[in-house]
Amino acid sequence: QKEVEQDPGPLSVPEGAIVSLNCTYSNSAFQYFMWYRQYSRKGPELLMYTYSSGNKEDGRFTAQVDKSSKYISLFIRDSQPSDSATYLCAMIPPMGGSQGNLIFGKGTKLSVKP
Amino acid sequence: EAGVVQSPRYKIIEKKQPVAFWCNPISGHNTLYWYLQNLGQGPELLIRYENEEAVDDSQLPKDRFSAERLKGVDSTLKIQPAELGDSAVYLCASSLSSGMNTGELFFGEGSRLTVL
Repeated sequence: QKEVEQDPGPLSVPEGAIVSLNCTYSNSAFQYFMWYRQYSRKGPELLMYTYSSGNKEDGRFTAQVDKSSKYISLFIRDSQPSDSATYLCAMIPPMGGSQGNLIFGKGTKLSVKP
Repeated sequence: EAGVVQSPRYKIIEKKQPVAFWCNPISGHNTLYWYLQNLGQGPELLIRYENEEAVDDSQLPKDRFSAERLKGVDSTLKIQPAELGDSAVYLCASSLSSGMNTGELFFGEGSRLTVL
């Protein structure tokens, strides 16, 4: 079992839909959780960062962490064609790990159709 | 402000040939990373530098891969000889400090390698 699991999709939704992207992880000691967005033939860029459990909102994006279930989610409201990209979850391992040791999921490819 | 710059963007070589990738990080970022991204996978760390020092190269296949970061700024990643399985995107990233747990790495656009 990999430390971070993410369904690669692809996921196709109509414009305006609510999108839910998810990752599960195996190590309950993870504390720092991130979502990166990667457009085709570009490098990943940080979208959201959360620490421990709870929700964090930024515009149309909401990141949610459920540590009891070892499950993190990214919700996109009112999705737009410009949201079409691959979304990667990432986590910093525990035991003194730093962002230099980010563990990425496989990424979920999202397509938002006009 | 300029982002992380990588070159070349694309490289096609035959197996057993050498190849080198260059990275210029964001000015002032003392931490530099090289990641490998296979098709349909997330990035995987190859090596991390703090200034000139390689502090984590445990995932770098040292029999054929080498890297250097002279003067703590630009970095070069080399493969010699290349194998078919090395076809992938090589991503360079930088950050202010790997000790800051903000998770924010700034990535370049990557160097896409095809080995024939």
